[in-house]
Amino acid sequence: EAQVTQNPRYLITVTGKKLTVTCSQNMNHEYMSWYRQDPGLGLRQIYYSMNVEVTDKGDVPEGYKVSRKEKRNFPLILESPSPNQTSLYFCASRTGSGELFFGEGSRLTVL
Amino acid sequence: ELKVEQNPLFLSMQEGKNYTIYCNYSTTSDRLYWYRQDPGKSLESLFVLLSNGAVKQEGRLMASLDTKARLSTLHITAAVHDLSATYFCAVDRWTGNQFYFGTGTSLTVIP
Repeated sequence: EAQVTQNPRYLITVTGKKLTVTCSQNMNHEYMSWYRQDPGLGLRQIYYSMNVEVTDKGDVPEGYKVSRKEKRNFPLILESPSPNQTSLYFCASRTGSGELFFGEGSRLTVL
Repeated sequence: ELKVEQNPLFLSMQEGKNYTIYCNYSTTSDRLYWYRQDPGKSLESLFVLLSNGAVKQEGRLMASLDTKARLSTLHITAAVHDLSATYFCAVDRWTGNQFYFGTGTSLTVIP
């Protein structure tokens, strides 16, 4: 079954405590990306990756890092989370027709 | 800055009625996407519109694209309760790397 898997699905943490949200896809897609969803703002792209070792900033990259060491994995790193990073995060890979295939989402709360 | 605007933001409609959701975007793009999100769930791809004049239909939903007017519409025919969800449109820049989403239209179909 085609999947984009994110972990953790839910996380409550405190300001400044580094965390990583993992994302893995099993469809051999080259393109992967991260989004945050906030009420009234829709989805905003954080980072994207065209392929292994190729990453670039999206619309709201501040406070986030990514890496793409393997084709299937694209983790999102928050080095020093702050309350304004409380959000619902989605990872997605892109199909051959261009559409995004989304993971189930990770709800992060930073206290 | 690329902007994607959807109208209306909230839509409450009776079963059996027709309605249209509008998506305007501010930059040249030949590709437009429609997604559906059920409450507490991830996003699911509905349509990919790849050229001016493209029209796609699936069940009671029909999407169209006018790249000259920078406008896409999602038309709902004879709404049923199962269509209650939030609908997002999205465009990608000509490079196909950066995606921009509208703020979403929350649709509620009432008996």
